Amino acid sequence: LAKTTQPISMDSYEGQEVNITCSHNNIATNDYITWYQQFPSQGPRFIIQGYKTKVTNEVASLFIPADRKSSTLSLPRVSLSDTAVYYCLVGDRYSSASKIIFGSGTRLSIRP
Amino acid sequence: DGGITQSPKYLFRKEGQNVTLSCEQNLNHDAMYWYRQDPGQGLRLIYYSQIVNDFQKGDIAEGYSVSREKKESFPLTVTSAQKNPTAFYLCASSPGPIPTYEQYFGPGTRLTVT
Repeated sequence: LAKTTQPISMDSYEGQEVNITCSHNNIATNDYITWYQQFPSQGPRFIIQGYKTKVTNEVASLFIPADRKSSTLSLPRVSLSDTAVYYCLVGDRYSSASKIIFGSGTRLSIRP
Repeated sequence: DGGITQSPKYLFRKEGQNVTLSCEQNLNHDAMYWYRQDPGQGLRLIYYSQIVNDFQKGDIAEGYSVSREKKESFPLTVTSAQKNPTAFYLCASSPGPIPTYEQYFGPGTRLTVT
């Protein structure tokens, strides 16, 4: 299993761009990188998924370098409502459910 | 509106009682999952089901039971054998029978057992 490491917490201010990095040194060839967002007392929400280079959607961008040993979730111009926990998951896109592991995530706090 | 519903949002039970948490989805998804989340922690997989009438244990299945009699429903029973049942329980689903990282979650049920 590709283990992931991400910061426990991060702080930023409204209007700033926030980049959350996830390390996954032993990522396998078939593994994808997936990010979720979770607000307090709610279920996680799928944000973005990628395999290499860059993926962008209406919410975020995901940057993956050529060696794929890390990835960066980029949130443009954050607002207070982006305060949440962000989870980085790595694994085969279609995988045994028991291998889909949500770690402790990164607790992002946005200040006015 | 398509989505996943979990009820109730808050549930209180006395120790020694079994309790069943409801999970319904109208997304026409094949796979469904149950997770448990403790304060400040990530999610841990309890059970999952890839098709009707079939389900598999996750990492922490002891003290829990499930059924999958209908595609849209995947209830979880927390039995009295579960040593520490107080937690936030999350149900999820994903399209297709093969588990995937793109899962859709319900709003959760917070269970308190005293």
